[in-house]
Amino acid sequence: AQSVTQLDSHVSVSEGTPVLLRCNYSSSYSPSLFWYVQHPNKGLQLLLKYTSAATLVKGINGFEAEFKKSETSFHLTKPSAHMSDAAEYFCVVANTGGFKTIFGAGTRLFVKA
Amino acid sequence: KAGVTQTPRYLIKTRGQQVTLSCSPISGHRSVSWYQQTPGQGLQFLFEYFSETQRNKGNFPGRFSGRQFSNSRSEMNVSTLELGDSALYLCASSLTDRNTGELFFGEGSRLTVL
Repeated sequence: AQSVTQLDSHVSVSEGTPVLLRCNYSSSYSPSLFWYVQHPNKGLQLLLKYTSAATLVKGINGFEAEFKKSETSFHLTKPSAHMSDAAEYFCVVANTGGFKTIFGAGTRLFVKA
Repeated sequence: KAGVTQTPRYLIKTRGQQVTLSCSPISGHRSVSWYQQTPGQGLQFLFEYFSETQRNKGNFPGRFSGRQFSNSRSEMNVSTLELGDSALYLCASSLTDRNTGELFFGEGSRLTVL
């Protein structure tokens, strides 16, 4: 079975400060993990993906995520937040072993000026 | 390369009516999946089509249906609309199987049921 938990429904940061969005997963098999971003009234856009290569994954717009198998975590980080980062972020676990792609509940990121 | 195109972007219907939403995937993508997004329930999987065949189906009533054409374009239909069907309906395409996780989303069709 697979599941994904985003530990915070809302995160608020000031512009220029670091961003940390937390995601824990559960999977019986080696999973593929993804982060997507959704700006208001838009579709989801892929930020980055982990598919069992390097554990530190770099994505678009300065975001990165680290796969930690021992902690079953895949947290998303960015060194310095920008106003344009304000959006909803979804952690996703997928598996080609026949399990369905599972979306987390989402974390809304607010960026204060 | 054109992205995923969904039409219409916005629509308003009344209870009891039916609605058809359209999705054109990225050229060459054979899988199209549909999702319902609401503030209360988040993102929920409706169904996936691959080469004109429904592969997977989420936990939605039979009022929700879909199909895929030979050119990979897909439509979803909701009959006998209820107030709770108000949502953003997202379509995503992928090259092969949606369970690889790498999905390309359209901007959605926002349905309001009055």
